[in-house]
Amino acid sequence: DVKVTQSSRYLVKRTGEKVFLECVQDMDHENMFWYRQDPGLGLRLIYFSYDVKMKEKGDIPEGYSVSREKKERFSLILESASTNQTSMYLCASSFTRGGRDTQYFGPGTRLTVL
Amino acid sequence: GDSVTQMEGPVTLSEEACLTINCTYTATGYPSLFWYVQYPGEGLQLLLKATKADDKGSNKGFEATYRKETTSFHLEKGSVQVSDSAVYFCALRRGGATNKLIFGTGTLLAVQP
Repeated sequence: DVKVTQSSRYLVKRTGEKVFLECVQDMDHENMFWYRQDPGLGLRLIYFSYDVKMKEKGDIPEGYSVSREKKERFSLILESASTNQTSMYLCASSFTRGGRDTQYFGPGTRLTVL
Repeated sequence: GDSVTQMEGPVTLSEEACLTINCTYTATGYPSLFWYVQYPGEGLQLLLKATKADDKGSNKGFEATYRKETTSFHLEKGSVQVSDSAVYFCALRRGGATNKLIFGTGTLLAVQP
């Protein structure tokens, strides 16, 4: 079975702190994604990566950065956390195409910024 | 740009009732369409998908047919169970070489015994 794990299920941080969210997948997927999930807004793509050290902005990249130094690991960084970044963060991974484009999701990290 | 619109919830049904969750899309070209499900406390998982017009995706008693003429991909189940209670997301795969998805806002389904 594909497994996507996220470093924390729940996280509480203070405004201005630097926050790292880690995601690891074990299926050798090329693509990895970070989304945030908010009520009434669904899932919105923050960043994605299609290869090691490659990244592309999604729909809401402001206030976030990412790092992909190894194929299996994709990190989301909040340089200076703010209260409006309180949300559920979901990581996903997939192959690129060819009928194997299903995205597999981790369980999510619920981040609260005080 | 591409977008997905799905019916707002919550949808509350009694066990064994019929379910329809509406989903329509706007896209250029011929996107692949997906339904993902999120059970309480979990991440999303793929429920079914369809890659071309008139394709029917099915899984766990759920079905959805890719209707290009009405740009729709409605989710249906003939008899829901309490265990189907979850949030359902309709999504389309954007065009191009990458595998980015656009999600709808999600529909909460609550099935009562």
